[in-house]
Amino acid sequence: KAGVTQTPRYLIKTRGQQVTLSCSPISGHRSVSWYQQTPGQGLQFLFEYFSETQRNKGNFPGRFSGRQFSNSRSEMNVSTLELGDSALYLCASSQRNNEQFFGPGTRLTVL
Amino acid sequence: AQTVTQSQPEMSVQEAETVTLSCTYDTSENNYYLFWYKQPPSRQMILVIRQEAYKQQNATENRFSVNFQKAAKSFSLKISDSQLGDTAMYFCAFMDETTSGTYKYIFGTGTRLKVLA
Repeated sequence: KAGVTQTPRYLIKTRGQQVTLSCSPISGHRSVSWYQQTPGQGLQFLFEYFSETQRNKGNFPGRFSGRQFSNSRSEMNVSTLELGDSALYLCASSQRNNEQFFGPGTRLTVL
Repeated sequence: AQTVTQSQPEMSVQEAETVTLSCTYDTSENNYYLFWYKQPPSRQMILVIRQEAYKQQNATENRFSVNFQKAAKSFSLKISDSQLGDTAMYFCAFMDETTSGTYKYIFGTGTRLKVLA
């Protein structure tokens, strides 16, 4: 089976812009979670989608949003980018009651 | 709220030696899962080992083993015969089922391990 894929791998944006990141889960996995990883903060949970519905949400401002499509692919959007949004954004897919499988991440740099 | 604490931001170990990474967590739940993930430099995060809380026996995967102390809420990772390829960031993670039937993951801040030649 192909692993979790994320596109793009690298992104450079300027403050105030918006960005959309994409994640394709492992075939058959219906749960997709998004995390923000920054040095010293570890992985901060953004949200989780299951069957096109957001099931869980972390403590991030409304500028961070996401969605999931019928084929389980997921997108994450960040509007009005701030310098502090610079991070590695990880997507992970899982089956029920099982470990998460991570993608390679999208490294976002906000200038 | 559940929390996961990794108190060692960085560690180093000589090749072929043994190292133990610490992890403590806080929860009021009785049934949950614990994981150790490895994130090599510039590479994808992968699962190292998992432990179900209802199992008393410590999980083992080749050179990797855990010391699961449920009462103390401790979940340490022991790496035996350390290899250069073990150099990575290691994350401890906790997973349980929420009241709405979904699963929630919480990660620690990570321990950066460097294996020295």
